[in-house]
Amino acid sequence: SQELEQSPQSLIVQEGKNLTINCTSSKTLYGLYWYKQKYGEGLIFLMMLQKGGEEKSHEKITAKLDEKKQQSSLHITASQPSHAGIYLCGAVLRAGNNRKLIWGLGTSLAVNP
Amino acid sequence: KAGVTQTPRYLIKTRGQQVTLSCSPISGHRSVSWYQQTPGQGLQFLFEYFSETQRNKGNFPGRFSGRQFSNSRSEMNVSTLELGDSALYLCASSLVPGNTEAFFGQGTRLTVV
Repeated sequence: SQELEQSPQSLIVQEGKNLTINCTSSKTLYGLYWYKQKYGEGLIFLMMLQKGGEEKSHEKITAKLDEKKQQSSLHITASQPSHAGIYLCGAVLRAGNNRKLIWGLGTSLAVNP
Repeated sequence: KAGVTQTPRYLIKTRGQQVTLSCSPISGHRSVSWYQQTPGQGLQFLFEYFSETQRNKGNFPGRFSGRQFSNSRSEMNVSTLELGDSALYLCASSLVPGNTEAFFGQGTRLTVV
């Protein structure tokens, strides 16, 4: 099983609707990244969260890391077709020289105009 | 400022051959990480280089190797290619290793036939 579970696997929403993507681990995370990817291309950095309870926003996208640092959510408000793509969460399981980076399988988002 | 540059963008190789992929990080960035992305496994960490030294390594066989040059450019090599090596190979650069923002290249799409 994946060490970092993302849900849902895919999502189709109507333009203007809000949506939430979740990223969950059974272990404490030392850092949590959210990226967006267009099919077959590189990843675009969205946000990084490190502290329990931390919340960051960029334009209409808000990401939160829970107090236990095991779950993060990405919320898009009033979705637009430009939000379509694959959203990936990545996490640091261990800090220092032996830090381990793991990734979710991604959530594919389609926004219908 | 130029982004992360990966070459080539696309590559078709035959089983048994070897391949070398290149990554030029953002100017000033000294840390380079490599990832393999496939539909079934998602993003898998290969290795991380900093100041010409491998700092971290994922769970890939010895056929996968890499190096980093004094100008921070990095190459990864896959020998004795197998069909299962077909994937999108992504490179990410950051100022230093650790919980910092990482910028990804567009990737190299490798197809092994």
